[in-house]
Amino acid sequence: AQSVAQPEDQVNVAEGNPLTVKCTYSVSGNPYLFWYVQYPNRGLQFLLKYITGDNLVKGSYGFEAEFNKSQTSFHLKKPSALVSDSALYFCAVRDMQHSGYALNFGKGTSLLVTP
Amino acid sequence: DVKVTQSSRYLVKRTGEKVFLECVQDMDHENMFWYRQDPGLGLRLIYFSYDVKMKEKGDIPEGYSVSREKKERFSLILESASTNQTSMYLCASSPRPEGGGNTIYFGEGSWLTVV
Repeated sequence: AQSVAQPEDQVNVAEGNPLTVKCTYSVSGNPYLFWYVQYPNRGLQFLLKYITGDNLVKGSYGFEAEFNKSQTSFHLKKPSALVSDSALYFCAVRDMQHSGYALNFGKGTSLLVTP
Repeated sequence: DVKVTQSSRYLVKRTGEKVFLECVQDMDHENMFWYRQDPGLGLRLIYFSYDVKMKEKGDIPEGYSVSREKKERFSLILESASTNQTSMYLCASSPRPEGGGNTIYFGEGSWLTVV
């Protein structure tokens, strides 16, 4: 099965500090990995994706993610957190074993950035 | 920008009612998806469609059906609503996947409460 896990339900960080939201994956074959953000009462917004190539992927709003094959991880990072980054973050992997190639999501990590 | 529009943001329905959730995308995408989101469970795939009149079951299709008569429109149908179907429903679309790298875009979500 193609799956991802987000080990932390919540991450707290002070504004201006670096943030990391963790994600590990379990796939057969090459993974296609995604990060989405969800603000309260809104849909999911695409942040970034890893397909192939450089292990460091840059995305929207200053976020980046590091793909680590040996650790099967795809952690989301930002050098300096903003209060406005407070939201729910989802890691996802493309399901390449079924037609349609839907995304399989982690359970989400709530990020709280305090002033 | 890709736009996925869910016509109803908030609905309250009675147990046993037939409920229609409508979704329209404006990017001529082949693939469309319906997910439901519940706290602590992340997003779970209900159904997806990879072409007009074509559909496949996702992970939790029981109690739901779908309709795709036109390429841009994908409807989720609750044949007889039950209280355990109270949830946030998210529609999404993407181009036909070529290697799994295409991004999936989400609508703003429909909050359904069944009383």
